[in-house]
Amino acid sequence: GAVVSQHPSRVICKSGTSVKIECRSLDFQATTMFWYRQFPKQSLMLMATSNEGSKATYEQGVEKDKFLINHASLTLSTLTVTSAHPEDSSFYICSAQREGAYNEQFFGPGTRLTVL
Amino acid sequence: QKEVEQNSGPLSVPEGAIASLNCTYSDRGSQSFFWYRQYSGKSPELIMFIYSNGDKEDGRFTAQLNKASQYVSLLIRDSQPSDSATYLCALMDSSYKLIFGSGTRLLVRP
Repeated sequence: GAVVSQHPSRVICKSGTSVKIECRSLDFQATTMFWYRQFPKQSLMLMATSNEGSKATYEQGVEKDKFLINHASLTLSTLTVTSAHPEDSSFYICSAQREGAYNEQFFGPGTRLTVL
Repeated sequence: QKEVEQNSGPLSVPEGAIASLNCTYSDRGSQSFFWYRQYSGKSPELIMFIYSNGDKEDGRFTAQLNKASQYVSLLIRDSQPSDSATYLCALMDSSYKLIFGSGTRLLVRP
């Protein structure tokens, strides 16, 4: 199967601190990964597309200086929420695209961020 | 008009029945369609994808695609209480992004 991991699964931090979330594809290489955010009882919102070896592409309204993305290898992308505030509290989920005929996206288990 | 439309539900079916989940989309050029299941508090899990018109079966699940009418459906046979979740329909756009519907909540009554 296609397994994607995320770490940490849950993080609580103080306002103003930075938090790094890791997304790894465990059994396949992923040139492209995606970062989503989901607020309670709402659908997934795509934040950015992470491309290995190049800059991420951010969706409209997402601050690239606040949500730093690094895709340094074919199996790892990181999202850093800088100077976090309570309104950044959310469920952050990554997905990795398995390249091939179908380009399916497989999701990580998500990271629940709570900013106090 | 949203690109991918789903009835939010909840769709309530008795255990053992067939659950039918529907999804319509606006972009006639869309080629790839995906169904994900999301349990409360968890991330989405890929159930099936479909590219060609017609039916595609995988165990208790059948995806149906009708490009002329621009709809995709997911049938779940012999529904179980463990199937209770939100089902997300998505299409893949030309830049490989998934465009999600808002999801249909399914409730399977024991």
